Amino acid sequence: SQKIEQNSEALNIQEGKTATLTCNYTNYSPAYLQWYRQDPGRGPVFLLLIRENEKEKRKERLKVTFDTTLKQSLFHITASQPADSATYLCARGGNQKVTFGTGTKLQVIP
Amino acid sequence: NAGVTQTPKFQVLKTGQSMTLQCAQDMNHEYMSWYRQDPGMGLRLIHYSVGAGITDQGEVPNGYNVSRSTTEDFPLRLLSAAPSQTSVYFCATDRTGGSKEAFFGQGTRLTVV
Repeated sequence: SQKIEQNSEALNIQEGKTATLTCNYTNYSPAYLQWYRQDPGRGPVFLLLIRENEKEKRKERLKVTFDTTLKQSLFHITASQPADSATYLCARGGNQKVTFGTGTKLQVIP
Repeated sequence: NAGVTQTPKFQVLKTGQSMTLQCAQDMNHEYMSWYRQDPGMGLRLIHYSVGAGITDQGEVPNGYNVSRSTTEDFPLRLLSAAPSQTSVYFCATDRTGGSKEAFFGQGTRLTVV
């Protein structure tokens, strides 16, 4: 089965620092990886998509990478703010099904 | 535009009861899906549909039925609720088979006692 693994431990980071979250996948590379943000009691909200043939994608303070050798995606939030505190989900897709990881909870400390 | 609307937001069922979770979208997306989210398990795909009249099973389909008679609606039916179905359920849509961003509803928190 095609799995997505995210560090289940919460990540605490000081405001202003760069937060880096890791997503590892198994077996073959997916056609794309997605990152979502989820706040308590809410549905996930799409942030970024990166395709297999792309090494890096940026959107404002967000950056995502796709390393097919390491079978890994890194998600960076630069100049982190307390409002960035949430759970971040990684997902793999490419056929008609999308597989999500369990998410990593990020806490940005003022 | 309302986006993706799920009803109800909360529901308590007794074991053995049946119910339907509603999902409606006004985005004219072909692809719709249902997930359940449990602590430590992440989002797991229950059923999905690539268009009206077409549905298929996801990772955890047992105990659930779906149908897709219109583009807008994709109800999820629990035939005989079990405590193991206690979860938060999310409906999602996107334009094509998952290759674009997904839009999620606000979720339905279901408790089966």
